[in-house]
Amino acid sequence: EVQLLESGGGLVHPGGSLRLSCAASGFTFNNYAMDWVRQAPGKGLEWVSAISDSGYSTYFAGSVKGRFTISRDNSKNTLYLHMNRLRAEDTALYYCAKEGGTGSTDLDSWGQGTLVTVSS
Amino acid sequence: QSVLTQPPSVSGAPGQRVTLSCTGTSSNIGADFDVHWYQQLPGTAPKLLIYGNNNRPSGVPDRFSGSKSGTSASLAINGLQAEDEADYYCQSYDTSLSGSVFGGGTKLTVL
Repeated sequence: EVQLLESGGGLVHPGGSLRLSCAASGFTFNNYAMDWVRQAPGKGLEWVSAISDSGYSTYFAGSVKGRFTISRDNSKNTLYLHMNRLRAEDTALYYCAKEGGTGSTDLDSWGQGTLVTVSS
Repeated sequence: QSVLTQPPSVSGAPGQRVTLSCTGTSSNIGADFDVHWYQQLPGTAPKLLIYGNNNRPSGVPDRFSGSKSGTSASLAINGLQAEDEADYYCQSYDTSLSGSVFGGGTKLTVL
């Protein structure tokens, strides 16, 4: 059974930094691209970032480009999201999700999310 | 403003058929990128409902079906049940943004 467990969320001041982690199990981690998707309180889903199975290629939404980086450690089956220069509008529940594979962008497994609150 | 446009709300009575729309542009759905659909029950993480326009993951009832035409896609739910009350999101890839995009979501109410 695929399991994705996010951690690292919390309260941070505007301009601060945070690193989210996503521990994966139940599948061959280094065979799949992975994504981060966020959901602001009471709002819809927003795609944030993706990383290829090897970690060589990374992609970002315009709203976080230049402030967030994504990485993975395939030896530890762990995905990361490094968030810098955080803003109030980054406040959201951050989900880690596994892509379906074979070039498809569908997200077939999701974690339960970790909450990031940016506030002074 | 979401790149993909979904109606904010849809409702139907138990047993009815409802259709949820997702409208894109020539840089996403119209560029022949696949559309995927997710169901989000209150207080839970999203769940993949339809992938690749019209494919159901194992465990998803065949009451749910997807289709795509031109710059739009649709999710149809037959035999509506109370447990279908949830938020539904469409997703595709956008070539001009070089990333995935979601619709704003549709809240389905079962009357």
